[in-house]
Amino acid sequence: GAGVSQSPSNKVTEKGKDVELRCDPISGHTALYWYRQRLGQGLEFLIYFQGNSAPDKSGLPSDRFSAERTGESVSTLTIQRTQQEDSAVYLCASSQRTDYNSPLHFGNGTRLTVT
Amino acid sequence: RKEVEQDPGPFNVPEGATVAFNCTYSNSASQSFFWYRQDCRKEPKLLMSVYSSGNEDGRFTAQLNRASQYISLLIRDSKLSDSATYLCVVNPSFSGGYNKLIFGAGTRLAVHP
Repeated sequence: GAGVSQSPSNKVTEKGKDVELRCDPISGHTALYWYRQRLGQGLEFLIYFQGNSAPDKSGLPSDRFSAERTGESVSTLTIQRTQQEDSAVYLCASSQRTDYNSPLHFGNGTRLTVT
Repeated sequence: RKEVEQDPGPFNVPEGATVAFNCTYSNSASQSFFWYRQDCRKEPKLLMSVYSSGNEDGRFTAQLNRASQYISLLIRDSKLSDSATYLCVVNPSFSGGYNKLIFGAGTRLAVHP
């Protein structure tokens, strides 16, 4: 079946512009996560959705970052007034359940470059 | 100290070799543990969970030592297709019951003919 889909796959933007990244999780998956991976580094947790609610936003780096999820499906991550340090691959993942052992299925990511 | 630490490598090994990766984690109350594999410019994919008693999946063996807060992955009879970055992943107890995974930076493996 279809996996997690993210768009765009690549985004180049000028410093100061806003960007919106989209994630389509696997159908029926309750939990949705956003992670960020800077070059040569591990994944950093950004935010977790259970249904349409975000009980954990603790990883969002600043108030320039926001995310929402609608219809217990699509999620968008918005970065306002982008900075060069925002350059990274933004990965979305979904899982069927919310418990510890429900494996995460990742999308291919959006590679964001801020010039 | 990072929450999950790994030797970045790279580990360069010939086909057929046995290679072991180690990982340490800082939160002694961590609940669950995994190894993910990430190919170059691709998304991470679950390789295997790590159970307290140790577990094996074909050529891959994972072990957990809670007392030392140490996780290992052993790959036997390495194949060219095993070349990738291996991510040590921990779910800390404070995540509120959901999968807020903490990723190590990864260990890069290159298998050569």
